[in-house]
Amino acid sequence: AQKVTQAQTEISVVEKEDVTLDCVYETRDTTYYLFWYKQPPSGELVFLIRRNSFDEQNEISGRYSWNFQKSTSSFNFTITASQVVDSAVYFCALSEYEEGGSEKLVFGKGTKLTVNP
Amino acid sequence: NAGVTQTPKFQVLKTGQSMTLQCAQDMNHEYMSWYRQDPGMGLRLIHYSVGAGITDQGEVPNGYNVSRSTTEDFPLRLLSAAPSQTSVYFCASRLSFTIASTDTQYFGPGTRLTVL
Repeated sequence: AQKVTQAQTEISVVEKEDVTLDCVYETRDTTYYLFWYKQPPSGELVFLIRRNSFDEQNEISGRYSWNFQKSTSSFNFTITASQVVDSAVYFCALSEYEEGGSEKLVFGKGTKLTVNP
Repeated sequence: NAGVTQTPKFQVLKTGQSMTLQCAQDMNHEYMSWYRQDPGMGLRLIHYSVGAGITDQGEVPNGYNVSRSTTEDFPLRLLSAAPSQTSVYFCASRLSFTIASTDTQYFGPGTRLTVL
């Protein structure tokens, strides 16, 4: 069965520090998708990125970057020069496919990031 | 577009009571799903639907019923609430359910349910 592990339960940094959130996954599928979501204190879930299993290029979006390595089954997320507004719970997720083609998401337990001023 | 809407935002029930959590989307999305979020557990899939009239169970379906009579609506029913169902419930939708889809899954704002 698919599984997503976010070993870091909580991380606390000081503003402007770089921080990396780890995500390790398990799957037997050859085609799969990985996701990161942000959940700020207000509670909503904000989509950050989707990456398919055939694209191992690193992705950068502003201060956010993602490192996908199939060899280690990892999809890590780095925030550069962190800001207080980055404080949130971050979830990594893996797509799981049912017979018939429908897709379900399996979430990790989340990493709570606190950025202190 | 209003996106994915959920009502109510907060609800307190007594053990044994029934209620329906409402979820609606106005984006003509095929795929809708319900998750529950518990502290330290991430989000777990309860039920999902790949289109009107079609529903299926997720990881934690016990104690919940769903139906999908229209494309827009996907209500979640608790027939006899239990304290173990105290959680935050999220509804989500996506345009397509197919593997090759690059659609984004959109989440509603959540319903915080407490069962006493």
